Amino acid sequence: DAEITQSPRHKITETGRQVTLACHQTWNHNNMFWYRQDLGHGLRLIHYSYGVHDTNKGEVSDGYSVSRSNTEDLPLTLESAASSQTSVYFCASRTGGENGELFFGEGSRLTVL
Amino acid sequence: AQSVTQLDSQVPVFEEAPVELRCNYSSSVSVYLFWYVQYPNQGLQLLLKYLSGSTLVKGINGFEAEFNKSQTSFHLRKPSVHISDTAEYFCAVRRSGYSTLTFGKGTMLLVSP
Repeated sequence: DAEITQSPRHKITETGRQVTLACHQTWNHNNMFWYRQDLGHGLRLIHYSYGVHDTNKGEVSDGYSVSRSNTEDLPLTLESAASSQTSVYFCASRTGGENGELFFGEGSRLTVL
Repeated sequence: AQSVTQLDSQVPVFEEAPVELRCNYSSSVSVYLFWYVQYPNQGLQLLLKYLSGSTLVKGINGFEAEFNKSQTSFHLRKPSVHISDTAEYFCAVRRSGYSTLTFGKGTMLLVSP
């Protein structure tokens, strides 16, 4: 079955370190998204991509970057991790068009000490 | 830009009782509406969606929602809840012609025996 996987599922890091969260989908979806989930804030969009070499900033993009070198992967990089970036991160993907359903990964819990 | 307001952060209810989770949205353009469910330590799963047509939408697990354009609402209902419905529920809106979803802050449904 096609799926979307995130790794690592849990990570603890220190302030200032670079961290990359991986997201891989096997549906061949063009559209991929990264959200962060925080208590009291719901899900907020970080970055998204409509296809290879396309990236766009979302609502809370400061301190994050993404790259899209192929259809399957959209890694999220924290260049210099901050305690405010402690959160649960969700990757999602969907087909284009008006009816495409959004599918989510299981999430990556990041703790920045 | 569109926004979503979920009026209740937490809704406690007894098993087999009816429940309504409220969602209001604001947008000056045509939108699509969604409800997602998140069980503990899992990603989000689509419950139901309104794209067009009948304003009463039926989803999985016995849930339904009604799109009310005049009141800009999309409330989620279930006539009789089970313990297994305990989860967080998110309302989301997507602008017609766009791929990004804007989520509400979520409503925690707590079903007790």
